[in-house]
Amino acid sequence: DGGITQSPKYLFRKEGQNVTLSCEQNLNHDAMYWYRQDPGQGLRLIYYSQIVNDFQKGDIAEGYSVSREKKESFPLTVTSAQKNPTAFYLCASSMWAGTGNQPQHFGDGTRLSIL
Amino acid sequence: QQQVKQSPQSLIVQKGGISIINCAYENTAFDYFPWYQQFPGKGPALLIAIRPDVSEKKEGRFTISFNKSAKQFSLHIMDSQPGDSATYFCAASRDNFNKFYFGSGTKLNVKP
Repeated sequence: DGGITQSPKYLFRKEGQNVTLSCEQNLNHDAMYWYRQDPGQGLRLIYYSQIVNDFQKGDIAEGYSVSREKKESFPLTVTSAQKNPTAFYLCASSMWAGTGNQPQHFGDGTRLSIL
Repeated sequence: QQQVKQSPQSLIVQKGGISIINCAYENTAFDYFPWYQQFPGKGPALLIAIRPDVSEKKEGRFTISFNKSAKQFSLHIMDSQPGDSATYFCAASRDNFNKFYFGSGTKLNVKP
């Protein structure tokens, strides 16, 4: 079955530590996204990538970094500069927008907490 | 500035009733409006979507109503069931851009 796999499901970060969240898709989608979800705040865009080796900052990119070396993979690193990293992180993907707006498909998220 | 405003924040409906969730947007360039359903501990899943060239779209018990002049759209869940209890998000995007703006979510509780 095609889909988006996020790992790990739960992650704990120590002070001053960088952690990396994995996102893999086998839908052959061009575009991939990272969102942060906090209670009562909906989904906020961290980074997105429309094509391999290219990505853009979203609305809350500070303290995060990404890479897009392969079409199917879009890992997110939460750096020590992100002072409030506790949240539910969602990865999504969609077909290329050049064919008209396409819906996003989401993974089941990673819940990150501070130790 | 929130691009898409969603209300209510929470909603309690009796089984068999109609659930109505509303969203409003400012950017008239938006041309794609999806609704997502999210269960606890899971990612959102696409429920139904509409483009501004139609005023209503129905899929089973779920209907989107779209009012272009008022820049509002709403989700109606007919004959609501306890299994519909979830958080619902509206969203908007524009013009082959594929960047989505999400509402803040509505937590629906359908009482048996």
